[in-house]
Amino acid sequence: ETGVTQTPRHLVMGMTNKKSLKCEQHLGHNAMYWYKQSAKKPLELMFVYSLEERVENNSVPSRFSPECPNSSHLFLHLHTLQPEDSALYLCASSQDIGTGGYEQYFGPGTRLTVT
Amino acid sequence: TQLLEQSPQFLSIQEGENLTVYCNSSSVFSSLQWYRQEPGEGPVLLVTVVTGGEVKKLKRLTFQFGDARKDSSLHITAAQPGDTGLYLCYSGGSNYKLTFGKGTLLTVNP
Repeated sequence: ETGVTQTPRHLVMGMTNKKSLKCEQHLGHNAMYWYKQSAKKPLELMFVYSLEERVENNSVPSRFSPECPNSSHLFLHLHTLQPEDSALYLCASSQDIGTGGYEQYFGPGTRLTVT
Repeated sequence: TQLLEQSPQFLSIQEGENLTVYCNSSSVFSSLQWYRQEPGEGPVLLVTVVTGGEVKKLKRLTFQFGDARKDSSLHITAAQPGDTGLYLCYSGGSNYKLTFGKGTLLTVNP
């Protein structure tokens, strides 16, 4: 596998379910990101990890819980979601974070539908 | 957080036409990246511009960075259906405050 992979590609879950999204990067990068992309809204940055430490949490509800066990893997744990949480969830990685910005490499996303 | 304004929001053109899309900010960009996102996929990096006044070409795509580093444009010559997608600009800003514009959704009709 090369680049950034995400599983599953599609997920349908009820509001009382618990599920997890997985992201893996094969690029040797130090930073990883979770984004939410809804219709008619720009990409919303949710979380940023650098060397497995969370450095950004953009006021995301606690029903979204990220986990970064190592620099290659990133998870997003989901529980008691709402229908408005239905969206495309994108994972990305970059060499590092810092002033000036680093190029980000995205996975294909997980299309989440909350019923 | 740096705000990026992209225009137009939607653009539908015929194959063979030329087009330009824009990305603007009230703040200075330290660097700027352009991405293209196809339906159901993640964004793919097209180019990074760093120096004011810089022009980069990628086949039929020409990227320009404004002299004051507050604006950027993407020009496509002789658009093809394969150019269809959401074009996003992105700036890392300072203190890694990461910002994407809303994007321009381009449709190129055969």
